[in-house]
Amino acid sequence: GENVEQHPSTLSVQEGDSAVIKCTYSDSASNYFPWYKQELGKGPQLIIDIRSNVGEKKDQRIAVTLNKTAKHFSLHITETQPEDSAVYFCAAKGTSYGKLTFGQGTILTVHP
Amino acid sequence: ETGVTQSPTHLIKTRGQQVTLRCSSQSGHNTVSWYQQALGQGPQFIFQYYREEENGRGNFPPRFSGLQFPNYSSELNVNALELDDSALYLCASSLGGGLARTDTQYFGPGTRLTVL
Repeated sequence: GENVEQHPSTLSVQEGDSAVIKCTYSDSASNYFPWYKQELGKGPQLIIDIRSNVGEKKDQRIAVTLNKTAKHFSLHITETQPEDSAVYFCAAKGTSYGKLTFGQGTILTVHP
Repeated sequence: ETGVTQSPTHLIKTRGQQVTLRCSSQSGHNTVSWYQQALGQGPQFIFQYYREEENGRGNFPPRFSGLQFPNYSSELNVNALELDDSALYLCASSLGGGLARTDTQYFGPGTRLTVL
């Protein structure tokens, strides 16, 4: 089955710096890659997603890139703010039904 | 807010008991997926329901079962609770089937289950 590896497990940056989180996946048939932000005591919140027919997608300060050949995708957050502090999860979905396979998560801390 | 609601918020049970968790999907969504999230881990897929039928299942034993109702709300039932079942249980709604199908899943706030 699908396996998703996420790095780093923790990331600490200063306010205004950029943050990059990377994921690799094992199933070359995976075609949908969402990123979720989870704050303490809350459910995961979708922040951006990308499909396998697109190499890059951007939404204000957040961007995601996908390299299908290498089977990895990355989340880029620019001009980080303290409110960006949370746990971030990447996920991948194969071609059958709706199962999302998640990475282990990255704890992002943005210091003022 | 996603419009996905779950109840109860918290639940404490003892080993061997049974529990039922509930989820109401976002308006217009006909598919509900359930995930288990252990502390410090990513969510793990339990199963998905589409049009009142199980549409796929992860690596969970049969004592994890579910239902989906005509209004697309869903229940997760866990029998013979074990200590390792302590986790945050998340449901996610999406639009499945046909040309309007989307991959995007929107999560509810979760139910925190503690098994003593």
